[in-house]
Amino acid sequence: ILNVEQSPQSLHVQEGDSTNFTCSFPSSNFYALHWYRWETAKSPEALFVMTLNGDEKKKGRISATLNTKEGYSYLYIKGSQPEDSATYLCAQPAPIENAGNNRKLIWGLGTSLAVNP
Amino acid sequence: DAGVTQSPTHLIKTRGQQVTLRCSPKSGHDTVSWYQQALGQGPQFIFQYYEEEERQRGNFPDRFSGHQFPNYSSELNVNALLLGDSALYLCASSLGGANVLTFGAGSRLTVL
Repeated sequence: ILNVEQSPQSLHVQEGDSTNFTCSFPSSNFYALHWYRWETAKSPEALFVMTLNGDEKKKGRISATLNTKEGYSYLYIKGSQPEDSATYLCAQPAPIENAGNNRKLIWGLGTSLAVNP
Repeated sequence: DAGVTQSPTHLIKTRGQQVTLRCSPKSGHDTVSWYQQALGQGPQFIFQYYEEEERQRGNFPDRFSGHQFPNYSSELNVNALLLGDSALYLCASSLGGANVLTFGAGSRLTVL
């Protein structure tokens, strides 16, 4: 059974604080790791797709790292702003052998971030 | 470049009825996935369509069925609606199933 777990479940920070949260996943048959941001009343938006161990990706004040051997990814937000308030979801394509590109994504439950001005 | 469009945005049905939700994928995408998000839950994968066939299926009963058309658009059908089917239904398209998803705004279904 593939479980993608995220922690913490929710987080409240002050504007200007830096924060980070974790996505844990089974490390066997790793294919890729996705991060999405889901703001209230909007569609989920892709942030990163990470594939290589040691990968680090950055988009503005948001960055992510990947450790496929130990099965975790960190998402960092530097200098949080109120507009960063959202649920951050990670997802992993199901580790199905020979599935090629047709794999469903297994989602974590998300980390809900609230940034207070 | 239009993204993923879903219709209707909101609808109310009663138990036992049937519903059809529609999705047009982002231009250039060939794979459509459907997700259900109930309150307080992460997205739950329903199924994925590629080349007009259901390629992957999540843990949903046969009351949930779908279709993909030659133009890559897709429908989600739910029969014999239950109260527990009340949720936000998200459609996402991609080029290939495991690639980055582009989501629609969702269809909010309320079953009374």
